[in-house]
Amino acid sequence: AQTVTQSQPEMSVQEAETVTLSCTYDTSENNYYLFWYKQPPSRQMILVIRQEAYKQQNATENRFSVNFQKAAKSFSLKISDSQLGDTAMYFCASTHPNFGNEKLTFGTGTRLTIIP
Amino acid sequence: GAGVSQTPSNKVTEKGKYVELRCDPISGHTALYWYRQSLGQGPEFLIYFQGTGAADDSGLPNDRFFAVRPEGSVSTLKIQRTERGDSAVYLCASSLKGGTVQYFGPGTRLTVT
Repeated sequence: AQTVTQSQPEMSVQEAETVTLSCTYDTSENNYYLFWYKQPPSRQMILVIRQEAYKQQNATENRFSVNFQKAAKSFSLKISDSQLGDTAMYFCASTHPNFGNEKLTFGTGTRLTIIP
Repeated sequence: GAGVSQTPSNKVTEKGKYVELRCDPISGHTALYWYRQSLGQGPEFLIYFQGTGAADDSGLPNDRFFAVRPEGSVSTLKIQRTERGDSAVYLCASSLKGGTVQYFGPGTRLTVT
């Protein structure tokens, strides 16, 4: 079984600043994937970034990057130059390849507010 | 192309009633997932379809919940004898077979009064 823990229920940061959201996970699998999803008030979950566990290099997507610490089972998201449109719930999630069934296990989320 | 769509967007029903929630996945996606998101929580897995068959229904909370995908495309989540505790946002996601990226719909907010 996989578990995902997000210990920051809420965070806020001034526009243009950098913010880091924390996530820890637990899994017995050797091969797994980690994700950050964004959920704005529209409810639609949007993939922000994905990390494959066997890749040591941290994933980056424009202003979004992760700090993947495999031994510590930590997977934090850094948002640089934060924008008002980044205001949303952010969920950390994990899955592992299972004959096509890649069901996701989610954390409880962090509500991020970008202050103008 | 079109993303995952879900109807209705919102559904209010009385305790004890039957409801159906519909999911239309991205064309060509054979994998389809249903999740339930209670207030203040992350989504929780309900059921996974590969094609027409439910390959993993381990997340369904009890036998009042059932889902079908008869033609391998559109899926319907059915809830019998609804209870107030069923109130939540029901999310649908689809992906290519073996694909690790799931694309989510906007969800259906179910309120049981």
